[in-house]
This record gives sequence, structure tokens and C-alpha cells, in this order.
Amino acid sequence: ETGVTQTPRHLVMGMTNKKSLKCEQHLGHNAMYWYKQSAKKPLELMFVYNFKEQTENNSVPSRFSPECPNSSHLFLHLHTLQPEDSALYLCASSLLEGDLSYEQYFGPGTRLTVT
Amino acid sequence: GQSLEQPSEVTAVEGAIVQINCTYQTSGFYGLSWYQQHDGGAPTFLSYNALDGLEETGRFSSFLSRSDSYGYLLLQELQMKDSASYFCAVQGIKAAGNKLTFGGGTRVLVKP
Repeated sequence: ETGVTQTPRHLVMGMTNKKSLKCEQHLGHNAMYWYKQSAKKPLELMFVYNFKEQTENNSVPSRFSPECPNSSHLFLHLHTLQPEDSALYLCASSLLEGDLSYEQYFGPGTRLTVT
Repeated sequence: GQSLEQPSEVTAVEGAIVQINCTYQTSGFYGLSWYQQHDGGAPTFLSYNALDGLEETGRFSSFLSRSDSYGYLLLQELQMKDSASYFCAVQGIKAAGNKLTFGGGTRVLVKP
């Protein structure tokens, strides 16, 4: 257990559905992240929240919408996804000290399948 | 921007030593990190090199040479449980996006 939990662990959704992924960290960290991990590709950073403010949107399509209501919770709202969005979605958190935050703690991920 | 290259797969036997190389291109970074990910699991932090040289943590060591834009992770006395994917990552400075950029990962398969 890394102190970062994600729900659900597995999700199958149709292209017209709306669903949300949830992440919670119990480590007192002040930065949270969403990553996408597809087969045979590097981990792709999607969004970064520092002190609840979004500081990075890595050219992610608008069908992915993040929400960070407080420093412990992070959501990823999904709507009208495409089959190529099927992947493992990982949440991570870290303690940001100034600009530096080199050690990230990852949750177990949500395995998403879009049909 | 940042980009990192590492071998896709390495196979070795129990007790052996494996070195996973990571070459990178970056417009500015604080240091090089290494993460381990078992199949079906979450990436977990292994080590971080802010300065050139070798950092040792038990059976694992990590090395950085900024002048060569190169680092490596050394796995010694390999055990079956070390079968996993290993990722290098650079922590970019603020001007370079201030974020972790990961390599494609090296899958290590340990055989009896």
C-alpha cells in the first residue's frame, strides 16, 4: 500500500457513457497527478494539480476533465470516450518543496476499457 | 522538451547482475529517478540521483553522469521477485515544465 487509493480498479464503458475515476491520498501531499499508461508506451502525464490548482494540462482531449476539490482528492471525469482511450489510468501524489518533487507515490490504477 | 531512451527488455538468471541504461535529452532537469512496476501493480520509487555519481540502496544502485546525459540502474544478486518493468524519469526544472518525464520502461525477466 502506497497511501494512494483509486476507485474503481476496473471499468468498462461504452463510448456514450459518462463515468468518473476517483483518487485519494492519505500522505499529506500537496500535488496530485493523472497519468495514462498504454501498452508499449511511456507513462504519459495528463494533468497536474499543485495546491489544488491545475498547473499542467498536457494537451489532453476535452473528453477528459479533471477535478481537484481539495489536496487529498482528485477526480477524472470521462465522457464520450474513444476505444483508443482504453488504458491504465494512474493517479500519483507527491510533496512539492519549492519547484522540486521527484518522488511520486502511485495508486494501483484504474484499468479502463472503452467498447 | 524531455525524452528518455532505455532498452525494452533484459533477461538474466537468478544471482546475476543487470545494468539498465538510460540516455536522455532534456532542456533542464533536477535529477534522474528510477521506478519499478510489477505486472498489474503501481510504479514504486526506487532511487533518485541529483548529483553525478553512484547512489547505493541495498542490492540496487543508480548512477548519473550529466556530462554524458546518461544514467543507469544496477540490479545485483537478482531474485525472481525482481522481474518487473523499470522506468527512468527526469524531474524537469520549472522552465522545462517542472514535471516527471518517463522513459518507455525496461522489462526485466529473471529466470531460475
